[in-house]
Amino acid sequence: DTAVSQTPKYLVTQMGNDKSIKCEQNLGHDTMYWYKQDSKKFLKIMFSYNNKELIINETVPNRFSPKSPDKAHLNLHINSLELGDSAVYFCASSQDYGAEAFFGQGTRLTVV
Amino acid sequence: AQSVTQPDIHITVSEGASLELRCNYSYGATPYLFWYVQSPGQGLQLLLKYFSGDTLVQGIKGFEAEFKRSQSSFNLRKPSVHWSDAAEYFCAVVFTGGGNKLTFGTGTQLKVEL
Repeated sequence: DTAVSQTPKYLVTQMGNDKSIKCEQNLGHDTMYWYKQDSKKFLKIMFSYNNKELIINETVPNRFSPKSPDKAHLNLHINSLELGDSAVYFCASSQDYGAEAFFGQGTRLTVV
Repeated sequence: AQSVTQPDIHITVSEGASLELRCNYSYGATPYLFWYVQSPGQGLQLLLKYFSGDTLVQGIKGFEAEFKRSQSSFNLRKPSVHWSDAAEYFCAVVFTGGGNKLTFGTGTQLKVEL
């Protein structure tokens, strides 16, 4: 059983399109996160949800909108995709806010 | 300002040699400390963590790390590296009281020579 699963694993799309990445965790964790890893492997937090409530919203363009329908899911919707959005996006979850995080396999987004 | 630094971008070691990856942080208190490994095309896997207590922590895959408060460091070590250890290693920190978000260092890419 995969603990944190993301779909799709790869996403290639054209500029201006809208796309979503889905994330599900079966660990029973209360907190979920989205991280962005750029081409230099730098990992930066984008959002954090605790029990479906937004806790952290870093300086991210408002084209990015997270949605948490329930505690086990945190989806990321991106509007009007730009070339600079190309990156690997990781979903993660943790039992408590600040505890160790478990990561999904990542979604490699390529905007052409 | 709160920060976490991995001074070495790339490290190359021979198989069987010992390894030490450096991690330093800047913070007024003791944060929660983690080491993660990322193999090519994979997600991040937790190697070990430090919250409090014994400053030498053991992790998976034969790794250990030592927290040194006086040096604000949490260096990762392995006595004998295997070729399969080649990967990207990230030190990560939770600065308690600062939103509790996991902040990553810039990573160290480890290459293992056979």
